[in-house]
Amino acid sequence: AQSVTQLDSQVPVFEEAPVELRCNYSSSVSVYLFWYVQYPNQGLQLLLKYLSGSTLVKGINGFEAEFNKSQTSFHLRKPSVHISDTAEYFCAVSGPGGFKTIFGAGTRLFVKA
Amino acid sequence: GAVVSQHPSWVICKSGTSVKIECRSLDFQATTMFWYRQFPKQSLMLMATSNEGSKATYEQGVEKDKFLINHASLTLSTLTVTSAHPEDSSFYICSAREDTDTQYFGPGTRLTVL
Repeated sequence: AQSVTQLDSQVPVFEEAPVELRCNYSSSVSVYLFWYVQYPNQGLQLLLKYLSGSTLVKGINGFEAEFNKSQTSFHLRKPSVHISDTAEYFCAVSGPGGFKTIFGAGTRLFVKA
Repeated sequence: GAVVSQHPSWVICKSGTSVKIECRSLDFQATTMFWYRQFPKQSLMLMATSNEGSKATYEQGVEKDKFLINHASLTLSTLTVTSAHPEDSSFYICSAREDTDTQYFGPGTRLTVL
């Protein structure tokens, strides 16, 4: 069975500081990994995804994530955050063959001025 | 590309009535659509998976007679909450997937049952 753990429920950070949102997964098969962002009262927007290939994945809005198979992690990073990055971020895992997507509990990123 | 719409964005209804929520993939054909429910400050809970032209597969604990799902075409799935009660009030989100393993999400529907 697959599972996703987002290690931090809330991450406060000052504007223009770097941020890392942590995500660990467990799976007995090959995985696809995703990060989504959700703004209040909206659906989820895909930030980036790892399906195969290069382990460093670049996404929208200046975010990037690195797939680390040995540590079963897929941490999300941004070198300099903006106020507008304040949102809920969800890590998710699925796999080839139509496996269901499993979502983490979410991390609330709060960017302070 | 990969835009998914939901309608309505919010709805208020009286207890005992039924509410239909539509989910459309606007620029791609979705072989599979998913319906999620999200409680405040929580993650998404998968309710059911629907494939075009076949019956939906419901997750354990989800009442299929209460949450009717129809996936009549490759671009449209509907969720009908029948005989809604206040405990059904929630944020309902659909997603659609084409042949890849990436889901694209709709903007969500806020249901309030009085």
